[in-house]
Amino acid sequence: AQTVTQSQPEMSVQEAETVTLSCTYDTSENNYYLFWYKQPPSRQMILVIRQEAYKQQNATENRFSVNFQKAAKSFSLKISDSQLGDTAMYFCAFMKTSWGNYGQNFVFGPGTRLSVLP
Amino acid sequence: DGGITQSPKYLFRKEGQNVTLSCEQNLNHDAMYWYRQDPGQGLRLIYYSQIVNDFQKGDIAEGYSVSREKKESFPLTVTSAQKNPTAFYLCASRQGRETHEQYFGPGTRLTVT
Repeated sequence: AQTVTQSQPEMSVQEAETVTLSCTYDTSENNYYLFWYKQPPSRQMILVIRQEAYKQQNATENRFSVNFQKAAKSFSLKISDSQLGDTAMYFCAFMKTSWGNYGQNFVFGPGTRLSVLP
Repeated sequence: DGGITQSPKYLFRKEGQNVTLSCEQNLNHDAMYWYRQDPGQGLRLIYYSQIVNDFQKGDIAEGYSVSREKKESFPLTVTSAQKNPTAFYLCASRQGRETHEQYFGPGTRLTVT
């Protein structure tokens, strides 16, 4: 079974600074996807970024980028130029690619609560 | 606008009563999911459905039931057998084989007293 670990329950960063959130996972699969989701105080889950395991290039979405280290099973999220609106819970998620059964393939980490300070 | 709706946002029930949480999507997604989120914790899978008239138990299905009679709808019933039903419930959907991310509804906060 896959597991996802986020070792930082809480973090804080000054506005305009850069912060990195850690995520490690355990799997024997070779083909999978990784995601970062954001849950602001409204509690709406929002997809931040995704990474296909077969791609060596790290995904980037505006101020958000990942450092994907497949051999180390590490998938960290870097937020540049932090903004007050980035304050949220951030969840790392793993999805096994299985064409036969794509129902129960998502595993979420416990989350990291990020506070952006003015 | 395409999306996932959950209603109501807040729900209050007395202990011993069954309650049904609504989840509707107009994204034409094949798969739908129900998660439970407790304070300070991640998401735990309750049930999921890949196609109409089919659904599977997740990690914490005891005390819950679902149906999938239409592609757009995946209601969750919290039964009186669920020992600790007060929680935040999130519904999600996923298109299927071409895309892999899940899209989430706004959630329903259920309080049972």
